[in-house]
Amino acid sequence: ETGVTQTPRHLVMGMTNKKSLKCEQHLGHNAMYWYKQSAKKPLELMFVYNFKEQTENNSVPSRFSPECPNSSHLFLHLHTLQPEDSALYLCASSPRAATLYGYTFGSGTRLTVV
Amino acid sequence: KQEVTQIPAALSVPEGENLVLNCSFTDSAIYNLQWFRQDPGKGLTSLLLIQSSQREQTSGRLNASLDKSSGRSTLYIAASQPGDSATYLCAVIQETSGSRLTFGEGTQLTVNP
Repeated sequence: ETGVTQTPRHLVMGMTNKKSLKCEQHLGHNAMYWYKQSAKKPLELMFVYNFKEQTENNSVPSRFSPECPNSSHLFLHLHTLQPEDSALYLCASSPRAATLYGYTFGSGTRLTVV
Repeated sequence: KQEVTQIPAALSVPEGENLVLNCSFTDSAIYNLQWFRQDPGKGLTSLLLIQSSQREQTSGRLNASLDKSSGRSTLYIAASQPGDSATYLCAVIQETSGSRLTFGEGTQLTVNP
């Protein structure tokens, strides 16, 4: 374990379902991120939270809704997804945004939309 | 817009061989460069982080170098082992991009026993 824990590890959901992904870190970091990794494509940044405030939204569709209740927890709420949203969703954290000190990633949630 | 390129896309070597993975980036104004390892279907494990003022970092059999002015980094793996088989990703964070990590597409390494 890297110190960033993601649950669930695998998720299969229908297009009309609502589900949430959870990310938790106890590294004392103040910035948390959601990344999407689709097959054959580089990782794409989705959202950035710095000290619980959203600082970046990389033109993500509104069917993805992030929530950061505190610096240790990050959620990604999902609703009415499309099959092309199937991907590995990775959470990361860092001491703060735009950091010199690097990122720590979780193991990811493999999402399949049917 | 920053672009990160990794060469080769795939590499297969016999066990024990020393190897070099390459990463290039188009905008040299970076905070740092980070090398990650990703096993199939898994998350990313950080291997080495080089800050913009540094030239290289070492961890065990791994050595990463950074040449900011030319926009290049290399990851050197000594005495490769089958357990090194994975995808290796290079990522940079730019001074002007806030907190956005830009990733390359990775090099898929296979070390054959």
